[in-house]
Amino acid sequence: QVQLVQSGAEVKKSGSSVKVSCKASGGTFSSYTISWVRQAPGQGLEWMGRIIPILGKANYAQKFQGRVTITADKSTSTAHMELSSLRSEDTAVYYCAREVPAAAWFDPWGQGTLVTVSS
Amino acid sequence: QSALTQPASVSGSPGQSITISCTGTSNNVGNFNLVSWYQQHPGKAPKLMIYEVSKRPSGISNRFSGSKSGNTASLTISGLQAEDEADYYCCSYADSSTLVFGGGTKLTVL
Repeated sequence: QVQLVQSGAEVKKSGSSVKVSCKASGGTFSSYTISWVRQAPGQGLEWMGRIIPILGKANYAQKFQGRVTITADKSTSTAHMELSSLRSEDTAVYYCAREVPAAAWFDPWGQGTLVTVSS
Repeated sequence: QSALTQPASVSGSPGQSITISCTGTSNNVGNFNLVSWYQQHPGKAPKLMIYEVSKRPSGISNRFSGSKSGNTASLTISGLQAEDEADYYCCSYADSSTLVFGGGTKLTVL
């Protein structure tokens, strides 16, 4: 049974960066694809990008290109999402989720990490 | 990629059936049988309810079903129960190996 546990809440200043982690247990981490999805307060879900740990390859939604970096550390079964040049609109809950390759569905999800950006 | 279009809200009485639509384009819903649906209760992470248009994960009630016609996918919940009250999101695979979500639909059980 795959489980994803994320790092704790963060408060950041505008213009800075945040790095959120997602540790996987159960299953074979290298065979996963891990996606990151965010949800601003009272808003819907927004896909940010994914990483394929076995390939070390990431791809990103156009909206976040140049500002987001998703990496994976196979030795610790942990994926990371770093978002730079933070602004108030980036205040959101950030989720990691296992994405089934070539099938585009997410299960399970991490518990979410609240990132608050203040000026 | 623009978000897929869902109704902001739907409602139904216990025991009734409701359908939530999810309209995209030929660049996403219309071109791939890779639509999934998620249920989200307040303060909780989303939960997979339907994948690949109409398949149900193990443990999901057969009251939940999915379908697709052209650029529109649909989620139907039959025999509404109080615990079905939640937000529902569709998601589709899209061009350039990206994914796009719908804006979400709030289901109210009257």
